[in-house]
Amino acid sequence: DAMVIQNPRYQVTQFGKPVTLSCSQTLNHNVMYWYQQKSSQAPKLLFHYYDKDFNNEADTPDNFQSRRPNTSFCFLDIRSPGLGDAAMYLCATFQRGAGAQYFGPGTRLLVL
Amino acid sequence: RKEVEQDPGPFNVPEGATVAFNCTYSNSASQSFFWYRQDCRKEPKLLMSVYSSGNEDGRFTAQLNRASQYISLLIRDSKLSDSATYLCVVNSNFGNEKLTFGTGTRLTIIP
Repeated sequence: DAMVIQNPRYQVTQFGKPVTLSCSQTLNHNVMYWYQQKSSQAPKLLFHYYDKDFNNEADTPDNFQSRRPNTSFCFLDIRSPGLGDAAMYLCATFQRGAGAQYFGPGTRLLVL
Repeated sequence: RKEVEQDPGPFNVPEGATVAFNCTYSNSASQSFFWYRQDCRKEPKLLMSVYSSGNEDGRFTAQLNRASQYISLLIRDSKLSDSATYLCVVNSNFGNEKLTFGTGTRLTIIP
C-alpha cells in the first residue's frame, strides 16, 4: 500500500563522504520534491521536478543535487555532507492540477 | 512577514476539550489550503484540505476566511492520539506545485 517509498530510512555518513538518498512512488504523479526538515522547523524545499523539468530553489546549496531518471524514481545526492546537513530528508509527490502533496516516510541523515 | 504564520504553541489541552488553531497567510492570491499533521520523527500527513465553504471531517472542522487571509482548524472532543504538530500549508496558484509551510503548532493532549 505504500505510495511514496524512501530508502534508506536511516543513513549514517562521514563528513565529506558522498551519500545518495532514494525515493520511489506508485502514484504516477508528475511532480516529485525533496525537502529538508530540521528539528522544530517546517520542511524546507530543496528542489522539485515537474516531469523532467528540474526546479532548484535559489537558496539550495550546490552541495545538493538531484536526478529523476523516470516518473517513479527520484534521487538526492549530497556531494560532501557537512555536519549542518544532518536532518530528515522528505520526498513528496504531487499531481499538478489536483490535490495535495503526499510525503514519504523520510530518511534521517546523520553526519559524523 | 512570513508567508504562512502559525502560533507555535505548545498547546496543552485536557482530553475531551475543544482546541482551535489559526493560521494567517500573506499572499492574497493563494488558492489552495491544507492542514497536515506531523507526528514526532515522522512525515507530514494530509489531515484535510480547506475549502472556501468550510469543511468537516468527523471531529475536525476547517474554515477559510479569504477576506482576513486566515485558516482555522477546530478539533472537538480531543483524543490522546491527536497529540502532534499541525502544519498549515498554502499553495499560491492553482496548479502551482510549490507549497508554503507554516512552522507548525504543537498540540499535546493531556489525560
